Amino acid sequence: GDSVTQMEGPVTLSEEAFLTINCTYTATGYPSLFWYVQYPGEGLQLLLKATKADDKGSNKGFEATYRKETTSFHLEKGSVQVSDSAVYFCALSPDFMFSGGYNKLIFGAGTRLAVHP
Amino acid sequence: EPEVTQTPSHQVTQMGQEVILRCVPISNHLYFYWYRQILGQKVEFLVSFYNNEISEKSEIFDDQFSVERPDGSNFTLKIRSTKLEDSAMYFCASSTSGETQYFGPGTRLLVL
Repeated sequence: GDSVTQMEGPVTLSEEAFLTINCTYTATGYPSLFWYVQYPGEGLQLLLKATKADDKGSNKGFEATYRKETTSFHLEKGSVQVSDSAVYFCALSPDFMFSGGYNKLIFGAGTRLAVHP
Repeated sequence: EPEVTQTPSHQVTQMGQEVILRCVPISNHLYFYWYRQILGQKVEFLVSFYNNEISEKSEIFDDQFSVERPDGSNFTLKIRSTKLEDSAMYFCASSTSGETQYFGPGTRLLVL
């Protein structure tokens, strides 16, 4: 079945460092891809998404590009801040043509990011 | 900006008791979901609901679980007889089209 694999954390960075969190997926067809963020004590917030190959999702300085050829959707940010400390979840929504249309989200295990001043 | 809301934020219950977790989805959304996250683990899909019926459910969603949309605004998850392993954060989500899902803040359930 469809699945998502994320790099294991925690990832610890200094403020203003470059961030990459790797995400790869296994899926039939063309799933939609998402990054969600969970700040301490809070729920899941949609960070960005991409719905077709070569799309780039972006928000709040974060970016991720849907790479069909490598089945990847890596999250990047050029300069992280302390306020970016959170758990980041990569997720996919199966291709409508294969899923039956109701599109449950399949999540990766999450990557904890800690940014120090 | 419209949000998904959930009540209560925390619930403590005794094993074997029934609990009802409540959600108010975003008002023009048509697809509704429940997920759970056991502490330190992956977010897992439980059930999806569309057009007043369950459209998909996971293996976790056994006969102890049920969902209902009792009126035009609420969406509830009922656990009939809670077990210790039901302790988790439960998230409700809603969507206009079934693609992009918006999550509520969660209900933390602790079963003693």
